[in-house]
Amino acid sequence: NAGVTQTPKFQVLKTGQSMTLQCAQDMNHEYMSWYRQDPGMGLRLIHYSVGAGITDQGEVPNGYNVSRSTTEDFPLRLLSAAPSQTSVYFCASSDRGPHTGELFFGEGSRLTVL
Amino acid sequence: SQQGEEDPQALSIQEGENATMNCSYKTSINNLQWYRQNSGRGLVHLILIRSNEREKHSGRLRVTLDTSKKSSSLLITASRAADTASYFCATVVRSNDYKLSFGAGTTVTVRA
Repeated sequence: NAGVTQTPKFQVLKTGQSMTLQCAQDMNHEYMSWYRQDPGMGLRLIHYSVGAGITDQGEVPNGYNVSRSTTEDFPLRLLSAAPSQTSVYFCASSDRGPHTGELFFGEGSRLTVL
Repeated sequence: SQQGEEDPQALSIQEGENATMNCSYKTSINNLQWYRQNSGRGLVHLILIRSNEREKHSGRLRVTLDTSKKSSSLLITASRAADTASYFCATVVRSNDYKLSFGAGTTVTVRA
C-alpha cells in the first residue's frame, strides 16, 4: 500500500521556469490538498480539492495552479517560479476531509528556486 | 495569520521523562488534530479531538481540549529517543470544514 506518493523529491529551478509537482494516492480518497512548509511557519495550505473536478484556494494560492481530473491525482503547477517559492511541499489526502478525519501525508518535495 | 500556535517552540527532556506541549487557537473549531514530523519526513497523524470532547488517549499520548480557553495540550509520557520530532497542532474551524490550519510546531529532543 503506497499511500500518498510525491514526485520529484528534490528539484532546482531557475527564476521564471515552470514545473509540476506530482501527487498520487491509492486510498480512493475524495479530499486532497497541497501545503508548503517554511522554517518557523509550520504548514500553509495552498490549494485543496474535495473531489474530481472540484478545487478551491487555501491560505497562499498565488503563483500556483491545480487541477483534479481523477480521484487519484492532484498535481501542483508553478507557472513562473520565484525565489519566494523555495520551500518543502507536502501533498495530503483524506477520505472526505479534515472535518471528518486525519490527513495522510506524502514524504514531501523540496524545491529550490535560484 | 496562523490559527494555532504551539508553546514552547522547543523542548529538551531526558529519556523516561514526560513531555508537555500546548496549542492555542483563535476561532471556534470543529476539531483539533496533533501530528508528528520526524526530520526530513512527512507528517504523521497522532490524535484527533472533536470540539465536544475534553480528553483523549492513545498509547503514551494524552490530549486535552479546553474550548473555553481555546487551548489544547499534548502529553507524551515516558518519552523515548524515538519521540524526538516536531509536533504540530492543527485545527478545522467551524466556518470551513475543508481547511486544516497548522501551527508552527514544537521541536522535542529526547536525550538518552
